[in-house]
Amino acid sequence: KAGVTQTPRYLIKTRGQQVTLSCSPISGHRSVSWYQQTPGQGLQFLFEYFSETQRNKGNFPGRFSGRQFSNSRSEMNVSTLELGDSALYLCASSLPTGVGGGTEAFFGQGTRLTVV
Amino acid sequence: AQTVTQSQPEMSVQEAETVTLSCTYDTSESDYYLFWYKQPPSRQMILVIRQEAYKQQNATENRFSVNFQKAAKSFSLKISDSQLGDAAMYFCAYRSWVSGTYKYIFGTGTRLKVLA
Repeated sequence: KAGVTQTPRYLIKTRGQQVTLSCSPISGHRSVSWYQQTPGQGLQFLFEYFSETQRNKGNFPGRFSGRQFSNSRSEMNVSTLELGDSALYLCASSLPTGVGGGTEAFFGQGTRLTVV
Repeated sequence: AQTVTQSQPEMSVQEAETVTLSCTYDTSESDYYLFWYKQPPSRQMILVIRQEAYKQQNATENRFSVNFQKAAKSFSLKISDSQLGDAAMYFCAYRSWVSGTYKYIFGTGTRLKVLA
């Protein structure tokens, strides 16, 4: 079974530009979450999608947006890039469950975004 | 709001020795799961171990075990017979299901070095 695939692996962008990152979840997984990882901050939750609907959103400005397609693939977009957006962006997929949320998240290898 | 705290930014352990990584969390919820994830230099996060809050018995996975103290809101990871391949960032994570959506919160991580 193929794992979570994130593309591209590395990206360099200039301040003010926009960027789109892609995530293909494990087959059968309909829940996709995005995280921003920076040194010292750990993983910060961006948002979660399930069946093309955003179910939860972290505390990030509106420049960060996402969407999910009918095949569960997800994209994350950051507009008007700032230097502080440089980070590793991780995507995780999981099987949805009900109360308890015990299903583990399967992570991709991430996209390293550098804003110059 | 829920928080997860890992107070040890970095730990070292001699090969074949035992090391314990600390994690504390804060929540008012009664139903939740706790996880330890490992992120090796390859960046792919993988699940090490999980603990259901309603289970008093500590989870164990081969050389990895947890000490779950629900009243103290403590969730430490013990690695026995440490191996060079255990060197990685370790993240403690909290996950619950509230109002039809997941909350998934990570600590800032502990970098584990294994000395030969």
